[in-house]
Amino acid sequence: GQQVMQIPQYQHVQEGEDFTTYCNSSTTLSNIQWYKQRPGGHPVFLIQLVKSGEVKKQKRLTFQFGEAKKNSSLHITATQTTDVGTYFCATTSGTYKYIFGTGTRLKVLA
Amino acid sequence: DVKVTQSSRYLVKRTGEKVFLECVQDMDHENMFWYRQDPGLGLRLIYFSYDVKMKEKGDIPEGYSVSREKKERFSLILESASTNQTSMYLCASSPHRWGQGSYEQYFGPGTRLTVT
Repeated sequence: GQQVMQIPQYQHVQEGEDFTTYCNSSTTLSNIQWYKQRPGGHPVFLIQLVKSGEVKKQKRLTFQFGEAKKNSSLHITATQTTDVGTYFCATTSGTYKYIFGTGTRLKVLA
Repeated sequence: DVKVTQSSRYLVKRTGEKVFLECVQDMDHENMFWYRQDPGLGLRLIYFSYDVKMKEKGDIPEGYSVSREKKERFSLILESASTNQTSMYLCASSPHRWGQGSYEQYFGPGTRLTVT
């Protein structure tokens, strides 16, 4: 079945450094959503991308959907301690179902 | 802001007990979902509902049932709790009928259930 691989699994960065997480699929994705889950918290929706090559920005966060719609990335510029958490990608599969990436756990060292 | 609330943040139950987890959303969303989240296994769909009184099995429905009598409320029932149902349970809602809008999901705070 359809799978979404997310890398890296973990990332430790110094505060102020940039961070990127990637979601990759062997099949074309119709859409991709990104979520953030703080430690002890619940996933919070960040953004959805649907168009080939789409780029969206939210302050220090930049989201991209690949030209072939088989991959997506989330880039954080100049990380802050508030960016700590696990970042998930997700895509729809069939009807009313989602496939979630395994997540990238980000730690930011002050 | 969309608000999804869950009845308990933490719950401890004994093996064999019947357990009810409730979820309420206040944004008139069409679809509601129950997931469990376990370390190393990610989010797994238990059941979902796209309309009142409608329910569909997800990937791991065994040992669970659901009820959606009102649009805003979606209940998860563990008929006879077992230790392998110890987990974080997350409810989510999404606004649109499938294929008629965006697919974002809004999650509740979660219920950490321990079955002893």
